[in-house]
Amino acid sequence: RKEVEQDPGPFNVPEGATVAFNCTYSNSASQSFFWYRQDCRKEPKLLMSVYSSGNEDGRFTAQLNRASQYISLLIRDSKLSDSATYLCVVNLNSGYSTLTFGKGTMLLVSP
Amino acid sequence: GAGVSQSPRYKVAKRGQDVALRCDPISGHVSLFWYQQALGQGPEFLTYFQNEAQLDKSGLPSDRFFAERPEGSVSTLKIQRTQQEDSAVYLCASSRGDRGYTGELFFGEGSRLTVL
Repeated sequence: RKEVEQDPGPFNVPEGATVAFNCTYSNSASQSFFWYRQDCRKEPKLLMSVYSSGNEDGRFTAQLNRASQYISLLIRDSKLSDSATYLCVVNLNSGYSTLTFGKGTMLLVSP
Repeated sequence: GAGVSQSPRYKVAKRGQDVALRCDPISGHVSLFWYQQALGQGPEFLTYFQNEAQLDKSGLPSDRFFAERPEGSVSTLKIQRTQQEDSAVYLCASSRGDRGYTGELFFGEGSRLTVL
């Protein structure tokens, strides 16, 4: 079983739609959680951290359920520019910052 | 420059050749990471440096892979006797923190290696 598993995708949605990505992680000792965004043939960039209480950044909402070892990302009112691959990332925080990436879920927003 | 710089951006090697990939992290960043990203996959951890010390090399796939950061700044990832399965994008990332810091990693655009 992979340490971080994501919806396989791709997700094809029209502009304005709401889309949700799911992610599960296998190591219950994981300490911190993130969503990174990667545009086609570009490097990953941090989208947002994920906190236990849930957090929101504009149209993006991230949630964490430690009991279920589950992370989600909700995007409201999708824009064409949201088209990218969304990577779920988990940090074991075992003394230094090493991130474990999921395979990523591709989102395609169409006009 | 302001970001992580990697070179070459693209490298085509014949099977059996040695290659060297360079990473120039953000100035002052203590931590430096190398990741390997195959097509359609997420980045996979290769190795981690804190300043010049290589603290974790558990992700290096074989002894053909070697990384160094001799002065705690620029790092080089060397792959000896390249094989076709080494074809991937090699991403370098840096962060300002050291042990226990869980902040953002800043990635370079990567070096795309194709082994024929």
